[in-house]
Amino acid sequence: QKEVEQNSGPLSVPEGAIASLNCTYSDRGSQSFFWYRQYSGKSPELIMSIYSNGDKEDGRFTAQLNKASQYVSLLIRDSQPSDSATYLCAVNIRGSSNTGKLIFGQGTTLQVKP
Amino acid sequence: EAQVTQNPRYLITVTGKKLTVTCSQNMNHEYMSWYRQDPGLGLRQIYYSMNVEVTDKGDVPEGYKVSRKEKRNFPLILESPSPNQTSLYFCASSLAPSYNEQFFGPGTRLTVL
Repeated sequence: QKEVEQNSGPLSVPEGAIASLNCTYSDRGSQSFFWYRQYSGKSPELIMSIYSNGDKEDGRFTAQLNKASQYVSLLIRDSQPSDSATYLCAVNIRGSSNTGKLIFGQGTTLQVKP
Repeated sequence: EAQVTQNPRYLITVTGKKLTVTCSQNMNHEYMSWYRQDPGLGLRQIYYSMNVEVTDKGDVPEGYKVSRKEKRNFPLILESPSPNQTSLYFCASSLAPSYNEQFFGPGTRLTVL
């Protein structure tokens, strides 16, 4: 089992729809979770971080965390063509280290069609 | 402006010719890391550094070396590059590894012929 898993997609949604991106992780002790957006050929940029169970909203983005199910998701409301990118889920995996390290999923490619 | 810089941005080289990719951050971050990104494999950590003179292996350290002599700099060294090291490389930094955002450099696209 991979430490952080995402469906690679592509996920295609029409403009104005809600895009739902999902991520599962293996380490029950993980405490911090991040969503990065990466445009083709560019570096990842952080769009959301979440540390507690529940929802966290920031503009059109909502991150959802369920530690019992080891599941984190990202919802994008009113999707725009400019949201078309690869979305990377990153989880701090503690393992045998006290500090842990950040493990990235393979990313989900989102296509928003006008 | 707070940023992570990498140089060069693009590099084409030949097998066995030693090269260094530089990384510098101006945010006084303790933690720095190198990743490589390959299609279908995502971002994989090569090496990381918790602080000056403290470095450790990531998931794919073979064929790479790093050093952290100053807090702001974390160069990646390929002593004898091979074609399987052709990849897109990112340097990143953060205040601490666990709870903080990692800021990424612009990337270095390396081709080894």
